[in-house]
Amino acid sequence: ILNVEQSPQSLHVQEGDSTNFTCSFPSSNFYALHWYRWETAKSPEALFVMTLNGDEKKKGRISATLNTKEGYSYLYIKGSQPEDSATYLCAFIPFTGDYKLSFGAGTTVTVRA
Amino acid sequence: EPEVTQTPSHQVTQMGQEVILRCVPISNHLYFYWYRQILGQKVEFLVSFYNNEISEKSEIFDDQFSVERPDGSNFTLKIRSTKLEDSAMYFCASSEGRESTDTQYFGPGTRLTVL
Repeated sequence: ILNVEQSPQSLHVQEGDSTNFTCSFPSSNFYALHWYRWETAKSPEALFVMTLNGDEKKKGRISATLNTKEGYSYLYIKGSQPEDSATYLCAFIPFTGDYKLSFGAGTTVTVRA
Repeated sequence: EPEVTQTPSHQVTQMGQEVILRCVPISNHLYFYWYRQILGQKVEFLVSFYNNEISEKSEIFDDQFSVERPDGSNFTLKIRSTKLEDSAMYFCASSEGRESTDTQYFGPGTRLTVL
């Protein structure tokens, strides 16, 4: 069982503020890290696929960084808006020939207007 | 934009009954997956499927579970004799390939409640 951890479990942000949270994963046998945004009753939405150490990806006000050597990824939300309220999941794929995602428990972000 | 769809959105069944959860993956995708999330726990992998056979399966995916692609569009998960502990949200996903850059696209899930 792969240990993929996300912190914090939840956070509340004031509209307009920026925030960030962490996904940690095993640093050996890294293949890829996926980030998803999941709103209740909707499909988890793919945000980023990160594969290279030092990767930085951006989608609108959301960005992510990757450090494979130390086994962590940060997700940043700049200028949070109420529509950013969701659970953000990271999922790790090791370099073992499998292609199954091992998920963290998620960080639930609530943006207060 | 193409999307993965799942039916039904909610299924209630009695313990011991068989259930079939249905998924329509994205049309040009070749790899298909089932995951589940028991309430309060992490999303966990069940099975992957390619070229009409199972590629990988987890230890959860025992003889009570089976998957099938009965036609060119549907992908199904069958639970032969449901148990209380099978109550969970079941997600279908599909991907174009298995490269490190390939995204797995998820459906909205089927909530299975076993009474």
